[in-house]
Amino acid sequence: KQEVTQIPAALSVPEGENLVLNCSFTDSAIYNLQWFRQDPGKGLTSLLLIQSSQREQTSGRLNASLDKSSGRSTLYIAASQPGDSATYLCAVRGGGSYIPTFGRGTSLIVHP
Amino acid sequence: GAGVSQSPSNKVTEKGKDVELRCDPISGHTALYWYRQSLGQGLEFLIYFQGNSAPDKSGLPSDRFSAERTGGSVSTLTIQRTQQEDSAVYLCASSLDATNNQPQHFGDGTRLSIL
Repeated sequence: KQEVTQIPAALSVPEGENLVLNCSFTDSAIYNLQWFRQDPGKGLTSLLLIQSSQREQTSGRLNASLDKSSGRSTLYIAASQPGDSATYLCAVRGGGSYIPTFGRGTSLIVHP
Repeated sequence: GAGVSQSPSNKVTEKGKDVELRCDPISGHTALYWYRQSLGQGLEFLIYFQGNSAPDKSGLPSDRFSAERTGGSVSTLTIQRTQQEDSAVYLCASSLDATNNQPQHFGDGTRLSIL
């Protein structure tokens, strides 16, 4: 059974810092990995989707990498802003199932 | 363009009552998922629909929970004889199809409170 772990559970940083959020998974036979952000009282917003054949995806200040062999993905946020404050979740899909497994998220606060 | 729409956004009901939660997926999306998110917990998969195929109900926690998807579009999640432990945010997501290169898009959820 796939297990997804996100570290750290919470992070508080000053504005302008570059950040790395981590996502690890136990079964490397994945189809893809998706990063989301969730604002309080809202649903999940898709940030990046990395296919198993890809090593990274970039969107603006966000860069996500994938290393299947080590069962890890990182989400890099450059020049963090207060508007980046949210919970970030990763979801892994694989093992012959269309049902993704979610981590519990990293709660990020970027203070001015 | 319209995203995934869920209604109601909030629902408060008494223990023992039945509730219906609605999800309107993005137009043209054939895959639809229901999840439950409890305070301090991760997302718990409930049920998955893909086109006209039989749904994957493996995540439904008890026979009090059921869901249907009419005409391959709108879906309704029904909880019968609600219990206090059913209190959670119920999230719906859709994707273009069941292939693994399509991202999921989520609605804002229904916050369900059982008194």
